[in-house]
Amino acid sequence: QVQLQESGPGLVKPSETLSLTCTVSGGSISTYYWSWVRQPPGKGLEWIGYIYFTGSTNYNPSLKSRVTMSVDTSKNQFSLKLSSVTAADTAVYYCARGDYGDYAYGYWGQGTLVTVSS
Amino acid sequence: DIVLTQSPATLSLSPGERATLSCRASQSVGSHLAWYQQKPGQAPRLLIYDASDRATGIPARFSGSGSGTDFTLTISSLEPEDFALYFCQQRGNGPPFTFGPGTKVDIK
Repeated sequence: QVQLQESGPGLVKPSETLSLTCTVSGGSISTYYWSWVRQPPGKGLEWIGYIYFTGSTNYNPSLKSRVTMSVDTSKNQFSLKLSSVTAADTAVYYCARGDYGDYAYGYWGQGTLVTVSS
Repeated sequence: DIVLTQSPATLSLSPGERATLSCRASQSVGSHLAWYQQKPGQAPRLLIYDASDRATGIPARFSGSGSGTDFTLTISSLEPEDFALYFCQQRGNGPPFTFGPGTKVDIK
């Protein structure tokens, strides 16, 4: 059974960089598109971007200048960095697997709340 | 970016009733539309991809239809566990992949 698990700090100071890692178990990361999606408390879903196992990326243009994704196939992990965060970046961050092409996520992590506050 | 609009915002129904949820795109997305269910405190669950294909393990009471700009998710007979929030997501001709604002299906 494939499982995804996000990890990283739950509190980040304004202007600093948010860093999260998603660990994939029960299957290889060396296939599929791997994505990050976030959800501010009580609000809807926002697609952040994806990384293919080869390292190819595609980011949401609204966040592109601040986002970096990477993949480590040896550890079966992929990561998200979001720089210069503000309170507007406070959200539950999910990692997910694109099961039907690069969208349509059949597997998700449980989500991790990241709060931006001093 | 392609904007998705979902209607109604809230749908109040009783168990056993039929639910019809709508998702409209600001421009054609072909058949590249997915539907998700989300319950409080949980990650979304994929129900439908490519407009009408059920994801693995999804009950047959969930069906999707539509193409271009107008899409529908139908739940043929609501079970107690179906009362939740439903989102659509498009991939159109490529990123960014946007989500709709959601339709809440609650118990009447």
